[in-house]
Amino acid sequence: SQQGEEDPQALSIQEGENATMNCSYKTSINNLQWYRQNSGRGLVHLILIRSNEREKHSGRLRVTLDTSKKSSSLLITASRAADTASYFCATGDSGGGADGLTFGKGTHLIIQP
Amino acid sequence: DTEVTQTPKHLVMGMTNKKSLKCEQHMGHRAMYWYKQKAKKPPELMFVYSYEKLSINESVPSRFSPECPNSSLLNLHLHALQPEDSALYLCASSQPGGDEQFFGPGTRLTVL
Repeated sequence: SQQGEEDPQALSIQEGENATMNCSYKTSINNLQWYRQNSGRGLVHLILIRSNEREKHSGRLRVTLDTSKKSSSLLITASRAADTASYFCATGDSGGGADGLTFGKGTHLIIQP
Repeated sequence: DTEVTQTPKHLVMGMTNKKSLKCEQHMGHRAMYWYKQKAKKPPELMFVYSYEKLSINESVPSRFSPECPNSSLLNLHLHALQPEDSALYLCASSQPGGDEQFFGPGTRLTVL
């Protein structure tokens, strides 16, 4: 079953602009992750934020988490053409074991040169 | 080596064929996963192996049969598939209890 709902489903911006994607989820979580997927290939892990964190940065990425609203956002600053991809939020129940991830529907981001 | 490899990259099979997908990692991860992804949809979990034992089966039809021969290798045996099983099949690995999963490039399966 799908955990998250992402919006927008598609986003097209000019190179150099910032891109913001949102994700909402339904159940309580230990952490929330963001992954990128280029053209139907494998997913690449971008960043993880734990349930006791509110904000996290990694390079041009900024993730926020609001557990009271069960939502997260991913901000990509100073976008580049290479950022064109699909972005998924994902949650897992990992409390020490191996649990699969439940992905949101994803945002398809297009960076116009 | 931080790579998960999957073979073949593409596979076309008839509904009566038997084929296998292969996934390999040499990162020492003891959890491995199969996901199925239809076009323009998110990946959906199929199976989880932890320490070479099947720990999660997300009610996957028996025409999909996973196997984990050792800690580095994960197979997905396919038999009597249906055209609606056509999808991208993704393998991933992680440490049990670890959060980040490492994905392979996937096998694009077409069932005729």
